[in-house]
Amino acid sequence: GENVEQHPSTLSVQEGDSAVIKCTYSDSASNYFPWYKQELGKRPQLIIDIRSNVGEKKDQRIAVTLNKTAKHFSLHITETQPEDSAVYFCAATRQGGKLIFGQGTELSVKP
Amino acid sequence: KAGVTQTPRYLIKTRGQQVTLSCSPISGHRSVSWYQQTPGQGLQFLFEYFSETQRNKGNFPGRFSGRQFSNSRSEMNVSTLELGDSALYLCASSLALGGQPQHFGDGTRLSIL
Repeated sequence: GENVEQHPSTLSVQEGDSAVIKCTYSDSASNYFPWYKQELGKRPQLIIDIRSNVGEKKDQRIAVTLNKTAKHFSLHITETQPEDSAVYFCAATRQGGKLIFGQGTELSVKP
Repeated sequence: KAGVTQTPRYLIKTRGQQVTLSCSPISGHRSVSWYQQTPGQGLQFLFEYFSETQRNKGNFPGRFSGRQFSNSRSEMNVSTLELGDSALYLCASSLALGGQPQHFGDGTRLSIL
């Protein structure tokens, strides 16, 4: 069945460094890949998404890349700040399908 | 525009009871999806409703059910509660079937004693 693997499960970086989180999906028909940020005790918030007809998308300090051939997609956060500390989830879905989430990455940014 | 609203925020039940959770989507959104979030299993898809019909279903037992009303509001029901049902239940709404993108509510924290 559909599956999304996310790595690493925890990531600790110094403020100002970059952070990279990687996901692999199994369903080759997947065409939409959102990333969510969930702070402690709060709802998951969509931070960026990418569709399969695009290889890369940027929004200020956040970027997502997609390799359809390898079925990989990654989240890149540059110039990290303490407020970036949260759990990040990747997800994948096909048109009309269900959203399948990765297991999450707990990012800690140390000042 | 108001966001996704879930009620109640917290609920305590005992084993064997049943529970109903409610979700009001963003105005104009017709799709509502439900997820169970636990520390060990992450975010797991329960089901998705669109135009009052269940369109997608996850791998949960029949004790978990739902419905959607004509105004797109959705309810989720869990019968014969088990200790393992303790979790944060999140609902998310989107304009169309398949959730692109989905917007989450704050969730209902269900604790089973």
